[in-house]
Amino acid sequence: EPEVTQTPSHQVTQMGQEVILRCVPISNHLYFYWYRQILGQKVEFLVSFYNNEISEKSEIFDDQFSVERPDGSNFTLKIRSTKLEDSAMYFCASSQRGYGEAFFGQGTRLTVV
Amino acid sequence: AQKVTQAQTEISVVEKEDVTLDCVYETRDTTYYLFWYKQPPSGELVFLIRRNSFDEQNEISGRYSWNFQKSTSSFNFTITASQVVDSAVYFCALSEAETNAGKSTFGDGTTLTVKP
Repeated sequence: EPEVTQTPSHQVTQMGQEVILRCVPISNHLYFYWYRQILGQKVEFLVSFYNNEISEKSEIFDDQFSVERPDGSNFTLKIRSTKLEDSAMYFCASSQRGYGEAFFGQGTRLTVV
Repeated sequence: AQKVTQAQTEISVVEKEDVTLDCVYETRDTTYYLFWYKQPPSGELVFLIRRNSFDEQNEISGRYSWNFQKSTSSFNFTITASQVVDSAVYFCALSEAETNAGKSTFGDGTTLTVKP
């Protein structure tokens, strides 16, 4: 069964460093998303991406965040200068259409120290 | 704006008891999708069910069942004969078809603890 794959599963980084979280969406999907879950809290929408551009972003998705689809298969989330409060689980998701079921990856746990 | 409310923060039951997790949603769209996800201690999100707004039929899958009531904007989830392995955080989520480009809005989650 096709699935969304995220790497790495856990990343530890020093405050101020740049990190790139990687995702391989399901191959025939056209819509891509990043979500964040701070430990013990709910899953929050960060950004949606379609046709090589951001279609929507939340207030959390400020200038330190960026997304890219560098090739036909990967979808990345870059955090330019990490802060302690960026520590969270980051989920990538994809869907074939812009609604309906989005398939979530297993998540990347980011720890900023 | 879309909103999902899971009023029960934590529920604790003893194995073999039935338990219902409540979910109430708000949306202006007439076409939307509702989901339940399970998040075990390992942290991944496990998809359980999707229901679209035009299908109010209740669904049963093994020990799991879902009751969708548009009249009360609720999509409740019942686990029958609960087991210790059901212990997890359960999230209800809403995705609107007409606005918001497929963005999912999650409830705060309900932590279910099933004791042996």
